[in-house]
Amino acid sequence: RKEVEQDPGPFNVPEGATVAFNCTYSNSASQSFFWYRQDCRKEPKLLMSVYSSGNEDGRFTAQLNRASQYISLLIRDSKLSDSATYLCVVNRADKLIFGTGTRLQVFP
Amino acid sequence: NAGVTQTPKFRVLKTGQSMTLLCAQDMNHEYMYWYRQDPGMGLRLIHYSVGEGTTAKGEVPDGYNVSRLKKQNFLLGLESAAPSQTSVYFCASRKIAGGSSYEQYFGPGTRLTVT
Repeated sequence: RKEVEQDPGPFNVPEGATVAFNCTYSNSASQSFFWYRQDCRKEPKLLMSVYSSGNEDGRFTAQLNRASQYISLLIRDSKLSDSATYLCVVNRADKLIFGTGTRLQVFP
Repeated sequence: NAGVTQTPKFRVLKTGQSMTLLCAQDMNHEYMYWYRQDPGMGLRLIHYSVGEGTTAKGEVPDGYNVSRLKKQNFLLGLESAAPSQTSVYFCASRKIAGGSSYEQYFGPGTRLTVT
């Protein structure tokens, strides 16, 4: 079993739709959680950190459920520019553990 | 402020050849990492360093060596390249963690093909 698991997708949604991605992690000792975004043939970039209380950044909302070891990302009012792969990431000691990513394709 | 840079951007090697990938960061970060990314596998950690002069193995270290002689540079070496090492290699760095500061900053990647 992978330490961080995500549905690979792809999720194909129209502009303006709301889409949600989920992720589960197996190591209960993980302390910090993130969503990274990776565009095709580019490097990953931090989208947002995920806090127990939940946090929002514009159209993006991240939630963490430590009891269920579950992380989510909600994107509202999808834009064409949101098309990318979204990586669920948890830390373990000095390292980050990456999920394989969920691909999102937003169409006109 | 260039952030994290990687040299070269692309390379084609023949089986058995050797090469060194260079990663440089100008953010005075203590920690540096080398990953490889393959389709369907996600990012996998090869080696990492928590400071100048120190290195440690990651998830997939076999066939690679690293050195961190200067704080700003982290070198990844392939002594005898194999087709299984065809991949995209990313370098990343971060500062010593404080609070939630585990964010890693990535370089643009090196696309390596071994024939």
